[in-house]
Amino acid sequence: NAGVTQTPKFRVLKTGQSMTLLCAQDMNHEYMYWYRQDPGMGLRLIHYSVGEGTTAKGEVPDGYNVSRLKKQNFLLGLESAAPSQTSVYFCASSYSGLAGVHGELFFGEGSRLTVL
Amino acid sequence: GQQLNQSPQSMFIQEGEDVSMNCTSSSIFNTWLWYKQDPGEGPVLLIALYKAGELTSNGRLTAQFGITRKDSFLNISASIPSDVGIYFCAALYKGGSQGNLIFGKGTKLSVKP
Repeated sequence: NAGVTQTPKFRVLKTGQSMTLLCAQDMNHEYMYWYRQDPGMGLRLIHYSVGEGTTAKGEVPDGYNVSRLKKQNFLLGLESAAPSQTSVYFCASSYSGLAGVHGELFFGEGSRLTVL
Repeated sequence: GQQLNQSPQSMFIQEGEDVSMNCTSSSIFNTWLWYKQDPGEGPVLLIALYKAGELTSNGRLTAQFGITRKDSFLNISASIPSDVGIYFCAALYKGGSQGNLIFGKGTKLSVKP
């Protein structure tokens, strides 16, 4: 079972470049999320989606955009990358309800992004 | 806003020792969760707690939902090398809607064989 798949796994960008991270889930989950993980900061929610065609801002949305055109995919875009966006990005999905069935998120393996 | 204070930040223990970590907050939550992140992987749910005072075990792991609804504890008994990783607590706001799951900053566990 694939679960939650993120591409690419690694990427190096120059300041000002744009890129898109793709997340795909095969569990028919309604809810999808993008988190970033920085040393000593834990996981911080960037954007999330409660269903196809919907998106909402999380804790740290600035500098990112998202789209959920298909239920199984959730895209995270950086229009003009900045060094502060160097991080490990995790996509997650869950069943419907409060962040899933009582909060169970299924995470991808992460995408490590470096902005020079 | 809501914040989870997770401690300790890191632990270096000997194989076979027991481990305790906790998460506290000034806010009330209706669900507490504990996740583990192996090196190079995404977090995986270990234990979910839904009621104040609840004590739940999963193998060598035991977690408790504090009576005040403001804290939670995770214990690991007889640690082994594969317990290495980062442990995150997470909590759902009381009556919260989608997006109201917050994470602690993690406890990094290292085990010496």
